Amino acid sequence: GAVVSQHPSRVICKSGTSVKIECRSLDFQATTMFWYRQFPKQSLMLMATSNEGSKATYEQGVEKDKFLINHASLTLSTLTVTSAHPEDSSFYICSARDHRGWETQYFGPGTRLLVL
Amino acid sequence: GESVGLHLPTLSVQEGDNSIINCAYSNSASDYFIWYKQESGKGPQFIIDIRSNMDKRQGQRVTVLLNKTVKHLSLQIAATQPGDSAVYFCAENMGSNYQLIWGAGTKLIIKP
Repeated sequence: GAVVSQHPSRVICKSGTSVKIECRSLDFQATTMFWYRQFPKQSLMLMATSNEGSKATYEQGVEKDKFLINHASLTLSTLTVTSAHPEDSSFYICSARDHRGWETQYFGPGTRLLVL
Repeated sequence: GESVGLHLPTLSVQEGDNSIINCAYSNSASDYFIWYKQESGKGPQFIIDIRSNMDKRQGQRVTVLLNKTVKHLSLQIAATQPGDSAVYFCAENMGSNYQLIWGAGTKLIIKP
């Protein structure tokens, strides 16, 4: 149980284009989903917290117009990197928290984004 | 600010030996702690958790110890195997928003 998927697993795009990453909880309902960014050999950096049906809460320094988050259902959240630039290249990981109230976050496999 | 940190960035252990990964935290209000394992190119995988009203919890080949007096958390892996090679992160939860505060990570290397 507690499986989270992400799609795509890897994406290469040209500078200036937008990329959408999907995060799905497969066998549970997720009231809250989180989006992280991770640079090589570093810890996870929280970008935003997404609650189903409401606007995402962004961490300081994360541009909400650059990283659009939609959490339309209890099993799906999407992150869109708009007008991507090479500095946006990174490993993006989502996690989901079970709606039954436990604090544990279950993570997706991550999406490797490379912007040329 | 308050954070969770790790003592050792890299830990080398002989295959078959026990591994101990340590983590220090500074917020006494934290009430929930989690250990995650992250293999290269993958997302973190939940290993074990512990609440602040406990000082020890055991799983399959893993044990987490919590010492609230010195604000220290450790993960013990018994009979370390090659598949245990990964980066291990500790994380703490201290608020109602369920956000986690992450440690820097410890890379566990298994020597044959």
